[in-house]
Amino acid sequence: GNSVTQMEGPVTLSEEAFLTINCTYTATGYPSLFWYVQYPGEGLQLLLKATKADDKGSNKGFEATYRKETTSFHLEKGSVQVSDSAVYFCALGASSGSARQLTFGSGTQLTVLP
Amino acid sequence: GAVVSQHPSWVICKSGTSVKIECRSLDFQATTMFWYRQFPKQSLMLMATSNEGSKATYEQGVEKDKFLINHASLTLSTLTVTSAHPEDSSFYICSARAPSAGTQYFGPGTRLTVL
Repeated sequence: GNSVTQMEGPVTLSEEAFLTINCTYTATGYPSLFWYVQYPGEGLQLLLKATKADDKGSNKGFEATYRKETTSFHLEKGSVQVSDSAVYFCALGASSGSARQLTFGSGTQLTVLP
Repeated sequence: GAVVSQHPSWVICKSGTSVKIECRSLDFQATTMFWYRQFPKQSLMLMATSNEGSKATYEQGVEKDKFLINHASLTLSTLTVTSAHPEDSSFYICSARAPSAGTQYFGPGTRLTVL
């Protein structure tokens, strides 16, 4: 079956540091890949996505490239801010009937210190 | 972006009672809603997929008689945990998908504690 393995947290960085959160997946077929972010007290929000191999998703300074050869979708940001403190979830989307189901990683707590 | 609400945000109940959780899409019509369960520091686990006007499709290992799902309208789905037990204590999250979009919009979650 499908699965997502995500870098364990928590991760603590100083402001303006470089961020990498690793994500690898196992899937049949050609899934779409997502990063979701959950700020304290809020629901998950889509941060970025990639639908096919070599696609790069980007948003708010975050980037992730769909690497089929390494089955990875690592999240990166060149310079984090305090406001980036949140939980980040990597997810895989595969069609199932009429719905596109998501399989999530375990989440990585990021804390950015001023 | 699209907004999905959940009510209540947290609930404490006694063992053996039933609890209903509501999930509403506030500014769009959702033909499909999903219910997830999340244990501390673990993944969101899909429990069931619910399509408006039809029976929910449950994931393997999820008891459909214990977790009753109703998707009676395009903006509301409910999850009822029947005869709750302490092991049902968890964080329940819903998401909604508009017909024209592939993106799921998530609610803020409901924390259930069964004493």
